[in-house]
Amino acid sequence: KQEVTQIPAALSVPEGENLVLNCSFTDSAIYNLQWFRQDPGKGLTSLLLIQSSQREQTSGRLNASLDKSSGRSTLYIAASQPGDSATYLCAVNFNKFYFGSGTKLNVKP
Amino acid sequence: DGGITQSPKYLFRKEGQNVTLSCEQNLNHDAMYWYRQDPGQGLRLIYYSQIVNDFQKGDIAEGYSVSREKKESFPLTVTSAQKNPTAFYLCASSMDRGFGANVLTFGAGSRLTVL
Repeated sequence: KQEVTQIPAALSVPEGENLVLNCSFTDSAIYNLQWFRQDPGKGLTSLLLIQSSQREQTSGRLNASLDKSSGRSTLYIAASQPGDSATYLCAVNFNKFYFGSGTKLNVKP
Repeated sequence: DGGITQSPKYLFRKEGQNVTLSCEQNLNHDAMYWYRQDPGQGLRLIYYSQIVNDFQKGDIAEGYSVSREKKESFPLTVTSAQKNPTAFYLCASSMDRGFGANVLTFGAGSRLTVL
């Protein structure tokens, strides 16, 4: 069974910091990887999609990288803001989607 | 606007009752999915459907049932056989029939509480 792990489970930072969220997976044979944001009691909003042939994707202050050989993806958030506070989940597509349990981010004003 | 609509947002059920959660999409996506989310855990796949009138069990299908009579609709029934149904349920869809290149789009979720 495929496993997806996200570390840390929770993170609290002051506003303005740059931060990195990690996602690791057990098999390098992936089709793509998505990063999602989830606000409390809400559905998942897609942030970035990286196809297996890509190394990184950028959207605004967000940058996601993918290293299939080491089974890792990172989500880099630049100049964090209180509005970034949410849970961030990664989903790895092994021809079936597997989700990590998420990193709960709190950005303090 | 295109998207996925889940209803109801909140649902309370007495033990022994069946309840049905609605999921409708207007994205013209072929594939639809139901996930369950429990606190501190990742999403777990209940059922998925890649084409009308066909669906497959996911990792935790016991105590649940689905139908896919229309492309736009994929309702989930939580039966009385589901021992611990209190959870947040998320419906998703993707464009292609195969998992390979798919990208997931999610609804806003339905929270079920058993009284």
